[in-house]
Amino acid sequence: QVQLQESGPGLVKPSQTLSLTCTVSGDSISSGSYYWSWIRQPAGKGPEWIGRIYTSGSINHNPSLKSRVNISLDTSKNQFSLKLTSVTAADTAVYYCARDLGGYTVWGRGTLVTVSS
Amino acid sequence: DIQMTQSPSSVSASVGDRVTITCRASQGISSWLAWYQQKPGKVPKLLIYAASSLQSGVPSRFSGSGSGTDFTLTISSLQPEDFATYYCQQASSFPYTFGQGTKLEIK
Repeated sequence: QVQLQESGPGLVKPSQTLSLTCTVSGDSISSGSYYWSWIRQPAGKGPEWIGRIYTSGSINHNPSLKSRVNISLDTSKNQFSLKLTSVTAADTAVYYCARDLGGYTVWGRGTLVTVSS
Repeated sequence: DIQMTQSPSSVSASVGDRVTITCRASQGISSWLAWYQQKPGKVPKLLIYAASSLQSGVPSRFSGSGSGTDFTLTISSLQPEDFATYYCQQASSFPYTFGQGTKLEIK
């Protein structure tokens, strides 16, 4: 059974870079035809799609985040990662990684990232 | 961006009731629509994908319909565990977007 687990700092200072990693277990990240995605959800609000990476390395991301987002894949560690630069308080949210196969069928438990000095 | 508008924003219902939630896309998305259920403090759970396909393991009382711009999620007979917030999400074009949610509460 595939499982995803987010990891990274829970507190990031304004203007710094948010870095999260999603570790995949129970399957190889480079097998199959899956998109590996990042989604975030501010408290009390609906989810927001951040972006995704395919097993080939092809990336799509939300233009609203402009050039602040970088998503990468590390097949040797069976992980994929998110970097979000120049964060502000508006980036405070629960961040989820998820596997996309015609819908987000597998999610990580989510990690709360707070942007505050 | 494609805007997804759900209605109602909240609904009160009783166990055994039939409930319908509507999701409207600001432009046509064919059948590229999914529905999720989220309980407080929990991860969203996929219920329906491709507008009307039931995700494995989801009870058959859940059903989805629609195409183009108008979609519905129907729960045929509410169970106590169904009280939650429901979100629709389009996967037709980037950026993928979610509705604002419909909170289903116990009457």
